[in-house]
Amino acid sequence: AQKITQTQPGMFVQEKEAVTLDCTYDTSDPSYGLFWYKQPSSGEMIFLIYQGSYDQQNATEGRYSLNFQKARKSANLVISASQLGDSAMYFCAMSYQGAGNMLTFGGGTRLMVKP
Amino acid sequence: GAVVSQHPSRVICKSGTSVKIECRSLDFQATTMFWYRQFPKQSLMLMATSNEGSKATYEQGVEKDKFLINHASLTLSTLTVTSAHPEDSSFYICSATSGTSNQPQHFGDGTRLSIL
Repeated sequence: AQKITQTQPGMFVQEKEAVTLDCTYDTSDPSYGLFWYKQPSSGEMIFLIYQGSYDQQNATEGRYSLNFQKARKSANLVISASQLGDSAMYFCAMSYQGAGNMLTFGGGTRLMVKP
Repeated sequence: GAVVSQHPSRVICKSGTSVKIECRSLDFQATTMFWYRQFPKQSLMLMATSNEGSKATYEQGVEKDKFLINHASLTLSTLTVTSAHPEDSSFYICSATSGTSNQPQHFGDGTRLSIL
């Protein structure tokens, strides 16, 4: 069975500093995708970044980068130069070929950016 | 691009009422739509997967007669909470995808359902 684990229920970061949100996963499927979503207090889910299991390079999208370590089965999200608007819940999720487009979500990490 | 509209954003109604929530993909054809439920301070829990023109696939423990899902077109799926009770109060959110497993799901803004 597929499983996503986010071990940090809550994190603080000082504005303008970088922060890493942890995500580990478990799957026996060789083809899978890893996603990060941001959920502000208003509730919407905002797609941030995607990493495919066969991608050779770590994904980057603006201030977001994904530290993909396949052997360790980790896909940590790095946010550089944190902003107050980054305060939100962050969810790591995984899709795998055997399940079509279905996502398995981690428990989430609440990030709080301090001014 | 890839906008998903969910309506209504908030519903407050009496116990016993049936509530319909719509999920529309505005600028793409959604071959698959998903319905999630989220309790406060918890992660998203998948309720069902909906493919256009076929019956929805419900996750274990989700009552199909309670949560009716219809996916009549490539741009619209609806979730009807039938005879809602206070324990059905929750945040419901839909997502849609047009492609394969390497394509992100695009989410609606969610519906906060409160049953009095």
